[in-house]
Formats: sequence, C-alpha cells, structure tokens
Amino acid sequence: GAGVSQSPSNKVTEKGKDVELRCDPISGHTALYWYRQSLGQGLEFLIYFQGNSAPDKSGLPSDRFSAERTGGSVSTLTIQRTQQEDSAVYLCASSLARLAGAEEQYFGPGTRLTVT
Amino acid sequence: RKEVEQDPGPFNVPEGATVAFNCTYSNSASQSFFWYRQDCRKEPKLLMSVYSSGNEDGRFTAQLNRASQYISLLIRDSKLSDSATYLCVVNMAGRRALTFGSGTRLQVQP
Repeated sequence: GAGVSQSPSNKVTEKGKDVELRCDPISGHTALYWYRQSLGQGLEFLIYFQGNSAPDKSGLPSDRFSAERTGGSVSTLTIQRTQQEDSAVYLCASSLARLAGAEEQYFGPGTRLTVT
Repeated sequence: RKEVEQDPGPFNVPEGATVAFNCTYSNSASQSFFWYRQDCRKEPKLLMSVYSSGNEDGRFTAQLNRASQYISLLIRDSKLSDSATYLCVVNMAGRRALTFGSGTRLQVQP
C-alpha cells in the first residue's frame, strides 16, 4: 500500500517568507508526527497528533511554527517569516498508535527546506 | 547532556567484519527502544525493536542493558549494503514521540 507522502520534496524560499509543508499519512494511522533533521544531526521532534486529541506541540521551536491536521488525515506544517536556521529536512511520520510510542513509525521522504 | 548519545563514527570496516554500536540514554524510565537505519538523503526506517531479553534478526543482534542504560547493535558478516547511518531511538516515559540519537555512520568497504 501507499506509504507516507510529503510535498514538496524540495522548497527554496527567501528569508521572511511563509512556507507550508504537507504530509499525507498512511491510511488508517491515527498518530502523526513532525520532526526536523538538520545536516548531520538527529531528528528533532516538533509536534504530534493523535486522533481528535489536542496536539502535543512541545517540540515547536518558536511561535513561527504551527501545524494542523484536518479530518484526522492530512497535516500541514506552516513556518511563518522563515529564518536561515529553519533550513533542514522536515520529516513526517505516522503510526497506528496502538501502544503509546511503542510501535513503529513510518516516515515520509521529507521536505528539504532551504531558506536563502 | 543529550538524552540519547551515540558515537557518530564513521566506522569503516571491511566486508565480512563484525561491528558493534552502543548507545546510552539518560531517562531510566524509558520504555521502548529501537534501532532505525537511515540511508544517505533518505528517511529513517525501522531496523529492529530492542527487547529486554535481547533479540536477533539474521545478522543483526540488539541488546538492552537497563541497569547501565545502554543499547547495543551487533552486525555480523557486514555487507556493502549495510553502509548507512544507524539511529538509536528511545521512547521516553510520558512522551508519545520518539527521541532519536544523532546516529552512527557505518561504511563497509570492499
């Protein structure tokens, strides 16, 4: 079946512009996660959605970052007034969420964001 | 101190060698442990879960030492295709999201 998809695959934007990144999770997966990975670094948790529960936003680095998940499926991560330090690969993952955090997360291919 | 620490490597080994990676984690209440593999410019993919009793999957063996708070991954008979970055991943108590180490890079050479 289809895996997690993300768009765009690459995004180059000028400093100060807003960007939107999209994630389509695997059908039936109720948990959705956003991470970012800077060059040579590990994955940094950003935000987590689980069903209709309030999202866990504890990883968002600033109020320029926000995300929503419509209809329990597609998610959009928005970065306002982008800065050069926002340049990274933004990865989305989904899981069945049967066991809190204990199950495999399936990752999308990521969006490579470059802020010039 | 990072919550999950790994030696970044790179580990350069010849084909057929046995190589081991260790990872330490800071939260003693951590509940679940995994090794993910990430190829260059690709997304991470689950390699194996790590159980308290240790587990083996073909050439790969994972061990968990809760008392010392470390996890290990052993790869026997290394193949060229094993070249990748291996991410140590921990589910910290009270968190839904996983906490990733920065990864250990393995380069298997002919």
